[in-house]
Amino acid sequence: QITLKESGPTLVKPTQTLTATCTFSGFSLSTSGVGVGWIRQPPGKALEFLALIFWNGEKRYSPSLRSGLTITKDTSKNQVVLTMTNMDPEDTATYYCAHMQGCTSMVICYYDYLGQGTPVTVSS
Amino acid sequence: EVVMTQSPATLSVSPGERATLSCGASQSVRNNLAWYQQKPGQAPRLLIYGASTRATGVPARFSGSGSGTDFTLTISSLQSEDFAVYHCQQYDNWWTFGQGTKVEIK
Repeated sequence: QITLKESGPTLVKPTQTLTATCTFSGFSLSTSGVGVGWIRQPPGKALEFLALIFWNGEKRYSPSLRSGLTITKDTSKNQVVLTMTNMDPEDTATYYCAHMQGCTSMVICYYDYLGQGTPVTVSS
Repeated sequence: EVVMTQSPATLSVSPGERATLSCGASQSVRNNLAWYQQKPGQAPRLLIYGASTRATGVPARFSGSGSGTDFTLTISSLQSEDFAVYHCQQYDNWWTFGQGTKVEIK
């Protein structure tokens, strides 16, 4: 059974750095074709792709948010970490991590499992 | 960026009735389209991928159709557990989502 759980601060001050952790079970991020990504949903707005890391270490970042985003993985701990620098009130959102598999080409792949999300508010 | 547009924003339906949700893409995404169901406080759940293939465990009352730029999710006979928000997502060119359609009880 694949599960993903997000954790991190619920409140971040403007200009600070957000560090969010996705801890997962039921799969290995060293298995070919597997990827774990981050998606967010601001209040009342659409879900938005942020970043994705594949089993082989390849990374993908949102073209509109590339600057300030870093995604890393710790395969031994079954964790993926998202770092966002210079947080702004517009970054207030629920942050989700998500799993994909069968993605050996690293394109044309969809998320099949998502976590429940962690709410983050950016405010002074 | 491929812009996904869902309609309507809210759909009021009586239990047992049919619900039809639409999703449009600003450019062709071929059949690389997924639908997710989201209930309050829960993780989004994959329903459909490849525009029309049901994910494991998804009831047959859910069906997807379309290709290119126009897609439809149909729920043939709404059950109480189907009242939720539905998101479409294209994965042909990066990953973008629609704004969601809320299916509420009429």
